[in-house]
Amino acid sequence: QQQVKQSPQSLIVQKGGISIINCAYENTAFDYFPWYQQFPGKGPALLIAIRPDVSEKKEGRFTISFNKSAKQFSLHIMDSQPGDSATYFCAASESNDYKLSFGAGTTVTVRA
Amino acid sequence: KAGVTQTPRYLIKTRGQQVTLSCSPISGHRSVSWYQQTPGQGLQFLFEYFSETQRNKGNFPGRFSGRQFSNSRSEMNVSTLELGDSALYLCASSPGPMETQYFGPGTRLLVL
Repeated sequence: QQQVKQSPQSLIVQKGGISIINCAYENTAFDYFPWYQQFPGKGPALLIAIRPDVSEKKEGRFTISFNKSAKQFSLHIMDSQPGDSATYFCAASESNDYKLSFGAGTTVTVRA
Repeated sequence: KAGVTQTPRYLIKTRGQQVTLSCSPISGHRSVSWYQQTPGQGLQFLFEYFSETQRNKGNFPGRFSGRQFSNSRSEMNVSTLELGDSALYLCASSPGPMETQYFGPGTRLLVL
């Protein structure tokens, strides 16, 4: 079963708008939460990652918000650009474990 | 530093055959993980190797196997191919647990 649930499956946003992708997990042993971006024909590339001792992390136009009590985390893409059109995956892993459990992915389309 | 490389990039096989995929990790990375990506199941963990030892294995049948060599290069093998094995097989390398996993471009396998 999917250990990380991701929504929405797809979203369309206008250039300059905000894209929001949500993920939820059940395994309280998860303590590393990366987000990956994947373009067609390419492997996933790390976008940004967070650990549960931090509630928010920002890198450029990308922000992760983390709610440990709700077991949820989300990715916000500010000022969305056409080049951000890609599939985004949230993931989670436990301490000292290389195994990543991925969400189902969200296809983001940014319209110019 | 060169990224993760995977060979071959594309492969067509018929049911019942076997296939071997190769992965060269980033220099200095000792951990190599393999993932299967399909439209229906998303990204699923296959197994992870560290210093030539399989440390973790996903929920895949025994037809899926792998190994890692002393130079950290890894191979995965799928025997008795089934139509459902058609997928993008991704290799990722990492310097340590809860560190970034860097993905290769993948090998796209089509089973006819």
